[in-house]
Amino acid sequence: TQLLEQSPQFLSIQEGENLTVYCNSSSVFSSLQWYRQEPGEGPVLLVTVVTGGEVKKLKRLTFQFGDARKDSSLHITAAQPGDTGLYLCAGTTTDSWGKLQFGAGTQVVVTP
Amino acid sequence: ETGVTQTPRHLVMGMTNKKSLKCEQHLGHNAMYWYKQSAKKPLELMFVYNFKEQTENNSVPSRFSPECPNSSHLFLHLHTLQPEDSALYLCASSQDPLLARSQYFGAGTRLSVL
Repeated sequence: TQLLEQSPQFLSIQEGENLTVYCNSSSVFSSLQWYRQEPGEGPVLLVTVVTGGEVKKLKRLTFQFGDARKDSSLHITAAQPGDTGLYLCAGTTTDSWGKLQFGAGTQVVVTP
Repeated sequence: ETGVTQTPRHLVMGMTNKKSLKCEQHLGHNAMYWYKQSAKKPLELMFVYNFKEQTENNSVPSRFSPECPNSSHLFLHLHTLQPEDSALYLCASSQDPLLARSQYFGAGTRLSVL
């Protein structure tokens, strides 16, 4: 059983559309991060959230940490082909200090 | 450029070979990590080094042997691997070993075991 469940597993949309991907857990996280990974590369850190209810924006990307710190979402407005990639959420819990737990990822494909 | 460099980028080896993966970070971080990434599975943490000391071995088979000579360099020595060990091996570093957040990853080594 995975600690972090990501949904959907795969998402294909047209350029200009909006999308949301989700990261859920039954555990409480002290921090949660989102990464994007492109083929042949390592994951690149997009954002870190630490406070329940926190919302962070990075250009067209909006990240939200749930009030109970058990879930998070990533919303992309007006998606572009450059947003294509594997989106990974990862977090640390209070009983896993020093270890980052990863979800399996959501593969996003944005076609022109 | 993330500040974490891994070499080689690709490696093909037989089951009887011995090879090593190298990772170098230029970020002044205190913690370094080895992960294994297989298709459709979450990243699996293998080893954690904090201030050059190994603090985590996540039940990794002994055919994988890590080495951390200083806080900037990390190696993964491989010997008598199995075909199921074929995967992308990622190195990462972070500033705070306890929090482990905000990790910066290298591009990985794509390993194929024949």
